[in-house]
Order: sequence, then C-alpha cells, then structure tokens
Amino acid sequence: DGGITQSPKYLFRKEGQNVTLSCEQNLNHDAMYWYRQDPGQGLRLIYYSQIVNDFQKGDIAEGYSVSREKKESFPLTVTSAQKNPTAFYLCASSDQGFWKLFFGSGTQLSVL
Amino acid sequence: DQQVKQNSPSLSVQEGRISILNCDYTNSMFDYFLWYKKYPAEGPTFLISISSIKDKNEDGRFTVFLNKSAKHLSLHIVPSQPGDSAVYFCAARGGSGAGSYQLTFGKGTKLSVIP
Repeated sequence: DGGITQSPKYLFRKEGQNVTLSCEQNLNHDAMYWYRQDPGQGLRLIYYSQIVNDFQKGDIAEGYSVSREKKESFPLTVTSAQKNPTAFYLCASSDQGFWKLFFGSGTQLSVL
Repeated sequence: DQQVKQNSPSLSVQEGRISILNCDYTNSMFDYFLWYKKYPAEGPTFLISISSIKDKNEDGRFTVFLNKSAKHLSLHIVPSQPGDSAVYFCAARGGSGAGSYQLTFGKGTKLSVIP
C-alpha cells in the first residue's frame, strides 16, 4: 500500500539542539515538500525538491536544512538557528509536473 | 502578503444542510485550485480541484465553483454530514516556473456539522 511515512509522530527539542524529521515515500513520486503548520495558520512551504540531489528554499527556509540523496527520502533538519520551532510539520510528495500533493500524517515538534 | 485568503476561520452548519466555504485569491497566475480536508493531528487529504479554464467541478456531495473575474472560489457540500467536520484548506498552484511546483495555502476554515 503506497503512501508517505513521517516519523516520529511527536518530537521534543532541547535548547541548542538540532533534530531531524524523517519522511519516506513509496509512491515513486519525483517531487517532495516540507510544510509547516502553526495554530490558526495555513501551511507554509519550507523546502521542496523536484529531483534527487536538488532542492530549493520555500518561503520560510531559515533555520532548516534538507537533503535528497534518494528518491524515496527527504529528511528535514530543524537547526538551533530556528528560534521558534514548535509547530506541526508535514511532508508531501507529487509526480513531477503534477499538482496534487499527497501528505504524510505529520510530526508535532515541541521545545522542552 | 496573503495570496490565498479564507476569511472565515470557522463555520457551523446543521446536518443535512448546505455548507459553503469561500476562498479569495490575488495572483492571476494561479492556474489550478484545490481543496484539502484536514482532521486534527493528521495530514491533509485531497478533496476536489478545479482548473482555471473551468467554472465548476462536481464530485458526489462536493462541488467547487470558480469565478475568475472575482478571483473567488467556493466549495459546496450538500448534504453536510457530521463526518465532514474538519478544517478545509483552499490551495492554489502558480502558473509557471518554480510556482508550478508549489501550492499556496489559505489559513483554513474549520467546519462543524451539528447533528
């Protein structure tokens, strides 16, 4: 059964710590995305990748980093430079040139 | 600057009645519009879409209307059911270049269907 898997479901970050959110898809999609959702807010684009070994910054990339070494995987690192990391993070994928995004179930990141 | 606006944060509707969710946009380059449904602590799921060359698209109880001149779209749910209670996001795709690979989302409208 194809889909997008995000882990962990819940994550806690200590001050000054980097944390990495996992996103894996078996839909054979070329493009992958990371969005952030804050309460009462829409989804804001952090980073996206259209093909392996290539990615672009979205609207709110500061304090985040990504890699795309495999087609199936697009991990997001929330660095210590991100001063307000508490949010619900959503990973998504789509076919190249296609517009419909398929989302994972999300990771809730909180600061200790 | 918000390019996709959902001005109603919440909406309550009686079961069996029509739910109308509205969305306005400012970017005339948007060429595809989508509605997503989201339950708490879950990822959004695709509901229905419409191309900018159409003015209506139906799928069962869900109909999306697009008024390009007014830069306005709406989602109609008839009849509304308690299971429709969720947050609904309007999203738009840019027409060219990097924008064609991104969706711009509104802030969402929380729909509550009262039994």
